[in-house]
Amino acid sequence: EPEVTQTPSHQVTQMGQEVILRCVPISNHLYFYWYRQILGQKVEFLVSFYNNEISEKSEIFDDQFSVERPDGSNFTLKIRSTKLEDSAMYFCASVDRLQETQYFGPGTRLLVL
Amino acid sequence: RKEVEQDPGPFNVPEGATVAFNCTYSNSASQSFFWYRQDCRKEPKLLMSVYSSGNEDGRFTAQLNRASQYISLLIRDSKLSDSATYLCAVRAAGNKLTFGGGTRVLVKP
Repeated sequence: EPEVTQTPSHQVTQMGQEVILRCVPISNHLYFYWYRQILGQKVEFLVSFYNNEISEKSEIFDDQFSVERPDGSNFTLKIRSTKLEDSAMYFCASVDRLQETQYFGPGTRLLVL
Repeated sequence: RKEVEQDPGPFNVPEGATVAFNCTYSNSASQSFFWYRQDCRKEPKLLMSVYSSGNEDGRFTAQLNRASQYISLLIRDSKLSDSATYLCAVRAAGNKLTFGGGTRVLVKP
């Protein structure tokens, strides 16, 4: 069964550093998402991406965040200058053209020190 | 009022018993509803979509009540492996999912 993959599984970084989280969505999917989950809290929407542009973003997704699909397979989330409060699990998800079920990747656990 | 609300639990359930819990949503324009299962520190995994007429998948039954704006999940004949956090997710206009905080279920022998 096709699945969403994410790398790295864990990332530890110093406050103020840039991080790039990578995702490989399911190959025939067209819509891509990033969510985050701070430890002990709910899963929160960050951004959706379709046709090489952002289609929707949340208040969390400020100027420190950016997304990119640099090639036909990867989908990346960049945090330019990490803050302590960016520590969370970051999940990538993808959906097929029918926009039904969102399938989640295993997540990247980001720890900002 | 929170967009999507769930009783955090935990629901302590004897093995073999039935457990049910709800999820309420505030946006009456919500279009699609889902139950996801999340194990500790793992990704949400789709358990089932929730259809207007209600639907069943094995031991799991989901219902939607649009008038009262809630969905429910019922687990029959609970197994130890059903222990997890069950996330309710709602999609309104646009594609993003809005999640509840999850209901923790602990099935005990």
